[in-house]
Amino acid sequence: DTGVSQDPRHKITKRGQNVTFRCDPISEHNRLYWYRQTLGQGPEFLTYFQNEAQLEKSRLLSDRFSAERPKGSFSTLEIQRTEQGDSAMYLCASSRTNEKLFFGSGTQLSVL
Amino acid sequence: QQQVKQSPQSLIVQKGGISIINCAYENTAFDYFPWYQQFPGKGPALLIAIRPDVSEKKEGRFTISFNKSAKQFSLHIMDSQPGDSATYFCAAAESNFGNEKLTFGTGTRLTIIP
Repeated sequence: DTGVSQDPRHKITKRGQNVTFRCDPISEHNRLYWYRQTLGQGPEFLTYFQNEAQLEKSRLLSDRFSAERPKGSFSTLEIQRTEQGDSAMYLCASSRTNEKLFFGSGTQLSVL
Repeated sequence: QQQVKQSPQSLIVQKGGISIINCAYENTAFDYFPWYQQFPGKGPALLIAIRPDVSEKKEGRFTISFNKSAKQFSLHIMDSQPGDSATYFCAAAESNFGNEKLTFGTGTRLTIIP
């Protein structure tokens, strides 16, 4: 499978717990993006990496959120002390610089 | 501040008809305008994209019309088919930040009926 892979597909957690999502981009794509999509809305930009460097973070990304991309390959997005408002689809996407963006199928997070 | 406004929120079109979805943007620095198609449980997939140096771009049954002075662009789907039933998002980006940092519209749920 040469597409963007995200794991898990679904995550149910209790408020206050920490969760971590993983994204495996298309190989040789140097850029990796995280977006968040809530029901009935378009995706919203969270952060992006060029290789292993995190170049930009949206103001939507509170201090409870942290993303990493060690070695410029896969990426993880961690949410600490989850809140009900964090419930959303978390989408990962990858591309070569200034080329077509490919999205994964997302991780659906439900915070109870 | 919603920088990309999309309408309608939902659209029902008969098979074989033309589906039209409209978007308007505010940021004049935007210079890349893609349309994405999303099926339930899947991530968005790029359909077609345009830059403001042209007023129209066609790929198969899909056409983008772009009006720079009005800051509006639209997606036309000709000969609409049941398989086109999906949610469509317009988006915009500034090239300086890379085409991938997209600002999306709120989406249009398109249903094609036989």
